[in-house]
Amino acid sequence: GAVVSQHPSWVICKSGTSVKIECRSLDFQATTMFWYRQFPKQSLMLMATSNEGSKATYEQGVEKDKFLINHASLTLSTLTVTSAHPEDSSFYICSARDPGTGSYNEQFFGPGTRLTVL
Amino acid sequence: AQSVTQPDIHITVSEGASLELRCNYSYGATPYLFWYVQSPGQGLQLLLKYFSGDTLVQGIKGFEAEFKRSQSSFNLRKPSVHWSDAAEYFCAVGDPGGGNKLTFGTGTQLKVEL
Repeated sequence: GAVVSQHPSWVICKSGTSVKIECRSLDFQATTMFWYRQFPKQSLMLMATSNEGSKATYEQGVEKDKFLINHASLTLSTLTVTSAHPEDSSFYICSARDPGTGSYNEQFFGPGTRLTVL
Repeated sequence: AQSVTQPDIHITVSEGASLELRCNYSYGATPYLFWYVQSPGQGLQLLLKYFSGDTLVQGIKGFEAEFKRSQSSFNLRKPSVHWSDAAEYFCAVGDPGGGNKLTFGTGTQLKVEL
């Protein structure tokens, strides 16, 4: 089946630093990837849609300058949290859409990255 | 905009008992509906999905769900729960006209008592 990996699985950083999270589709090419944020005991909130070779589309209320998304290849999207602050601490999950799964392209999810900003 | 409601935050069942997790949605047309399971430290795994056709869909791990248009519901069921089913379950609505984005419910935490 389609596998999506994320790296790192967890990261701790100091306030003011930037952190990059990678999302890779391992056995399929993903023209579209999605980035979600999940707070403890809460649901997944879509942050942005990442399309290969073009700018990401951000959801309302998500700071595009804060959360930089790059989708440079069909198997890799990166999320960079710039000048991270404690309120950015969260669980970040990516998903990748497999264009080969019929009329509705199913999303396959990565295992998530736990970010803690001190 | 579509929305998803999962009324039960926590559910506890005994191993071997039946299970039903509730999901209600709000969407202007017939939505695409999904159930995902999330285990600690792992990504979301798709249990089953409904696009059209037969309103009773079968999924993996012995799960099934029934789409009821009149009730705007898509409840997840399993006739006999196993201890390994303990996890967080999310219902989601897909918007076919909106770039295939998913809107998730708040999740239901399932605890299985041995």
